[in-house]
Amino acid sequence: DTEVTQTPKHLVMGMTNKKSLKCEQHMGHRAMYWYKQKAKKPPELMFVYSYEKLSINESVPSRFSPECPNSSLLNLHLHALQPEDSALYLCASSPVGTGAGELFFGEGSRLTVL
Amino acid sequence: AQSVTQLGSHVSVSEGALVLLRCNYSSSVPPYLFWYVQYPNQGLQLLLKYTSAATLVKGINGFEAELKKSETSFHLTKPSAHMSDAAEYFCAVRRNSGNTPLVFGKGTRLSVIA
Repeated sequence: DTEVTQTPKHLVMGMTNKKSLKCEQHMGHRAMYWYKQKAKKPPELMFVYSYEKLSINESVPSRFSPECPNSSLLNLHLHALQPEDSALYLCASSPVGTGAGELFFGEGSRLTVL
Repeated sequence: AQSVTQLGSHVSVSEGALVLLRCNYSSSVPPYLFWYVQYPNQGLQLLLKYTSAATLVKGINGFEAELKKSETSFHLTKPSAHMSDAAEYFCAVRRNSGNTPLVFGKGTRLSVIA
């Protein structure tokens, strides 16, 4: 099984809503990532979890709150978002090792903030 | 921090023609390097990666890339373009040595003309 599964695929929310994006992998990877991708731009790193602990936060606003409840799951909790937060949110996982291992990406969750 | 530069935001080729997408890396020692492809409204899929085992790397879908240390380049090629190759292509590198997050080039959009 070499899949990273993200739900929902599409999400529309108002600025006062609270919602969550979910990501799941069963490859035994102990590093998991959230990237944000705006249209016609490359993915930009948001968060990295290593062994279920947050290891990197790229100065992301607190309205984005990541959570890694176990080694297979990664959530991104969303609250009081702004229209400019509309983007494709990509989850990825990789082995923890020398750095030669690639990241495996999910299909993404497309978020629209009204 | 390491980085990659992709020359050409858009490349257009005829079906059956050679595909050449350019990527240059910033470090003096070749880092781990990756090429990903992204089809519209999808996540990123690994095409190939350089991990120091061989300078000529073969990937999926007939793509290959050659590391040239003298040019600090890792260009992606395919002998004969197919309509299905139309997509966005990203070159990526680990931000620092070891198991650090991937950072992506700005991407190159490949169009294939019938």
